[in-house]
Amino acid sequence: GAVVSQHPSWVICKSGTSVKIECRSLDFQATTMFWYRQFPKQSLMLMATSNEGSKATYEQGVEKDKFLINHASLTLSTLTVTSAHPEDSSFYICSARLAGSHSEQYFGPGTRLTVT
Amino acid sequence: DAKTTQPPSMDCAEGRAANLPCNHSTISGNEYVYWYRQIHSQGPQYIIHGLKNNETNEMASLIITEDRKSSTLILPHATLRDTAVYYCIASTGANSKLTFGKGITLSVRP
Repeated sequence: GAVVSQHPSWVICKSGTSVKIECRSLDFQATTMFWYRQFPKQSLMLMATSNEGSKATYEQGVEKDKFLINHASLTLSTLTVTSAHPEDSSFYICSARLAGSHSEQYFGPGTRLTVT
Repeated sequence: DAKTTQPPSMDCAEGRAANLPCNHSTISGNEYVYWYRQIHSQGPQYIIHGLKNNETNEMASLIITEDRKSSTLILPHATLRDTAVYYCIASTGANSKLTFGKGITLSVRP
């Protein structure tokens, strides 16, 4: 149980275009989802916390107008990288926390974004 | 959330127990100790968490010292597939984000 999926698993896009990444909790409801970014040989950096039905909370230094987050249901959150640039190339990972608990987060497999 | 400190790396032989240490000397009373691991190019995987009692599940055991200033994750019979970066994180859990440090790289050798 507690499986989180991401789609796509990898994407290549041209500079200036937008890319949408989906994060789904497959067998549980998640009131809170998190989006992380990981550059090569570095640790995960939290970008934003997404609560179902409300606006996302962004970490300091993360541009909310560039990284649009929508959490429309208890099983789906999306991250849209707008006007992508090569420096946005990274590994994007989402996680979901079980509703009604203070327990662990379950992570998706990640999405590798390459901007050319 | 309290800061945690882990050695950068360690190795162990396949089939032997891997004991991964973590220091969290400033942990507060309502903070749990969480362990996750990340195998190369994959999303992190939850392993175990605890508050003050020792915990065990099908993956590992978590031993927390009585003063809660440190803990040890034990993989009882390490396999090559356990080679990964292991993260020890202190967090209150409820609505709280996880702050990942550099973790410890465990290499299991044949």
